Amino acid sequence: NAGVTQTPKFQVLKTGQSMTLQCAQDMNHNSMYWYRQDPGMGLRLIYYSASEGTTDKGEVPNGYNVSRLNKREFSLRLESAAPSQTSVYFCASSVGTIDVGYTFGSGTRLTVV
Amino acid sequence: EDQVTQSPEALRLQEGESSSLNCSYTVSGLRGLFWYRQDPGKGPEFLFTLYSAGEEKEKERLKATLTKKESFLHITAPKPEDSATYLCAVQALGGGSQGNLIFGKGTKLSVKP
Repeated sequence: NAGVTQTPKFQVLKTGQSMTLQCAQDMNHNSMYWYRQDPGMGLRLIYYSASEGTTDKGEVPNGYNVSRLNKREFSLRLESAAPSQTSVYFCASSVGTIDVGYTFGSGTRLTVV
Repeated sequence: EDQVTQSPEALRLQEGESSSLNCSYTVSGLRGLFWYRQDPGKGPEFLFTLYSAGEEKEKERLKATLTKKESFLHITAPKPEDSATYLCAVQALGGGSQGNLIFGKGTKLSVKP
């Protein structure tokens, strides 16, 4: 099925460990995004990539890095995980216009202990 | 500062009992206002985009309206399958990070049979 695929779906890390969250879309979208969703906080933008080859910081970028590997793939890396990074992470993509909104993946639930 | 506030935080309805969800926004020039539906354990699913005051859009039992300061999501004769969290987001005019979506915290709707 066409859409946004995120891996893994669940992950438990120890404080200080590193990991990369993977995201791929097969809709030929130009723009891709990483959000985190915390109870009572809503969705907050971490990083985004307006087009292949570009990345920019969002609202809460500290502690994260991203790579736009190609037009399909956009990864999020935690270099040294902290308990404050326990959250649900969503990747999204958009064609670049706003008429059809963003398409979201099903999320990665990350727990840092 | 651009901001989105949704109310109520939670709403319980009986099947067939119509009601409305509110989204108040402050933005330096509105490019678009979005409504999303989010089911537990899943990513947000796009519902509507509204662009200017007075605009209305409908989808099945849902109708979204927009004024200069707020948007309403009207639910007519809801069914249990309408139970979900409904998210509102705004996109401001301007490029770069200003053009990214700002989400509210959502309204959790429960419809009892």
